[in-house]
Amino acid sequence: DAGVIQSPRHEVTEMGQEVTLRCKPISGHNSLFWYRQTMMRGLELLIYFNNNVPIDDSGMPEDRFSAKMPNASFSTLKIQPSEPRDSAVYFCASSSYSVSGANVLTFGAGSRLTVL
Amino acid sequence: DAKTTQPPSMDCAEGRAANLPCNHSTISGNEYVYWYRQIHSQGPQYIIHGLKNNETNEMASLIITEDRKSSTLILPHATLRDTAVYYCIVRGLSGTYKYIFGTGTRLKVLA
Repeated sequence: DAGVIQSPRHEVTEMGQEVTLRCKPISGHNSLFWYRQTMMRGLELLIYFNNNVPIDDSGMPEDRFSAKMPNASFSTLKIQPSEPRDSAVYFCASSSYSVSGANVLTFGAGSRLTVL
Repeated sequence: DAKTTQPPSMDCAEGRAANLPCNHSTISGNEYVYWYRQIHSQGPQYIIHGLKNNETNEMASLIITEDRKSSTLILPHATLRDTAVYYCIVRGLSGTYKYIFGTGTRLKVLA
């Protein structure tokens, strides 16, 4: 089990550019979460999916942010256009969703984004 | 989701037990208590969870009070590698299914 795989690990871009972050969840997991972490705001939940369907995107900061999950093994988080305040570490996590049992998150290593 | 309260920081001597408290006074009957930790800039790592009974695994023990309004995570023999931010989360099985992380407790294990 390779765990949750995120790419790129590091991204440096200029303001106004499009940024795409990618996540491959653990095989068999049917829930996927995107978080953003900064020193000022801590770990914030941006959006989560159950069975590839977005359930709650209330944490997405602006229309510049969008997330997709076209299939069970892949998700993207896109920022267009990017701004310096988007600089953060973005984490993806997956879980095997079960109504009757506890659900444990497994996190990826994160993608560190720097917008100049 | 219930709100949790944790002390911002704690120190513990290496080899001693680290006891990390968490208050969750508004917890509902079907809500679990989860603990995660984040070492430096890595992704958070699951430690343990419980509903009513005390739980123990290879990493830690979780003690939940009888009224379930608070809990304590115990690292029985803390090592320098246990230095991390520890998050206590309360989450139910129904509803929005959100995992909301608070500010956690920054544990520093001292040599």
